[in-house]
Amino acid sequence: GQQLNQSPQSMFIQEGEDVSMNCTSSSIFNTWLWYKQDPGEGPVLLIALYKAGELTSNGRLTAQFGITRKDSFLNISASIPSDVGIYFCAGQSYNTNAGKSTFGDGTTLTVKP
Amino acid sequence: KAGVTQTPRYLIKTRGQQVTLSCSPISGHRSVSWYQQTPGQGLQFLFEYFSETQRNKGNFPGRFSGRQFSNSRSEMNVSTLELGDSALYLCASSPFAGADTQYFGPGTRLTVL
Repeated sequence: GQQLNQSPQSMFIQEGEDVSMNCTSSSIFNTWLWYKQDPGEGPVLLIALYKAGELTSNGRLTAQFGITRKDSFLNISASIPSDVGIYFCAGQSYNTNAGKSTFGDGTTLTVKP
Repeated sequence: KAGVTQTPRYLIKTRGQQVTLSCSPISGHRSVSWYQQTPGQGLQFLFEYFSETQRNKGNFPGRFSGRQFSNSRSEMNVSTLELGDSALYLCASSPFAGADTQYFGPGTRLTVL
């Protein structure tokens, strides 16, 4: 089945630093999604990407849909303590299992004040 | 607008028992998807329901089942519980079937002893 490789697995950074994480797949996706999950809560959608090459921002977050449709990255600028959490990428394909997202294993972000 | 609600939030069962989890989607949303989240396997798709019909199913044994009611509320059932079924079960709602943007509930934490 489809699999997403998300890296890095974890990051420990200083407040104010920029963060970058990415996902790659051997399969093509039509939609890339980035979520953040806080402890004890469900994932919250941060950014949705719909077109190859698309670059989208949401405040300090910026994500891009790779040209090959097989990868995406998420950048967080000027990190703050509340950025702590687990970040997941997810992909969706129209031709298989619509309504199902394939998730990466997550990047756990720790921000030191 | 109220978010996705899941009940109960926490549940402890013993092996061999069965369990039913409930999900109420965002008002007006008609699609509900279920995911299992474990440290080892990450987020894995269980099934998606739309208009009381199961549209897609993940790679889980038949012990996992679900249904959707006319008011879009959904339940999932796990019979003959195994230790490995311990997980966070997440419900996600979407306005329509196949929608890429899914809104997750807080999850039900199931512990099987």
